[in-house]
Amino acid sequence: AIRMTQSPSSLSASTGDRVTITCRASQGISNYLAWYQQKPGKAPKLLIYATSTLQSGVPSRFSGSGSGTDFTLTISYLQSEDFATYYCQQYYDYPWTFGQGTRVEIK
Amino acid sequence: EVQLVESGGGLVQPGGSLRLSCAASGFTFSDYYMNWVRQAPGKGLEWVSYISRASSTIYYADSVKGRFTISRDNAQNSLYLQMNSLRAEDTAVYYCGVVVVAAIGYWGQGTLVTVSS
Repeated sequence: AIRMTQSPSSLSASTGDRVTITCRASQGISNYLAWYQQKPGKAPKLLIYATSTLQSGVPSRFSGSGSGTDFTLTISYLQSEDFATYYCQQYYDYPWTFGQGTRVEIK
Repeated sequence: EVQLVESGGGLVQPGGSLRLSCAASGFTFSDYYMNWVRQAPGKGLEWVSYISRASSTIYYADSVKGRFTISRDNAQNSLYLQMNSLRAEDTAVYYCGVVVVAAIGYWGQGTLVTVSS
């Protein structure tokens, strides 16, 4: 199975900060990479698919980049509603696998 | 509006069985691939199983292979997960999800399965 490794596992940031989360795949996955946001007690929400394509309705302060094995999620101007846990996921091959998550907390 | 509503979770003893259901509405269910994903308490997301539109292709995570069975009824707009030989490590919230734009575009609210004596 393809292993997805996110870093950092958690981070503290302030409203207005620029935040970057990285995700590394154990083998090349082309651009078959998605990012999800999850808030406590809620289901995950798709933010980005195909590495850099924003899902409909997702604010433009979210962006994704990368290819092959290294990917990033950037939140350009952190808002209060962005404090959550973020997961990357590869859908290049089954079994689909997720990163372990990055918790974005308020500093 | 896309809606996915899971049901069937609950408390079950180790070795027991449970059948989860996911009722879909707001889209043409038979046109979409479906998945189950779970999340153990305080842990990350784990993909469990996939089923194609006509049930011709099915995949399972190694952790559930041989114990869980995914199925769907396109006439009833429903997805199922039959879980047998349950273990403590199967304790999780189980989400159904519809594949949109190749990733899981929509998720249900989840149903909690607790395996404990």
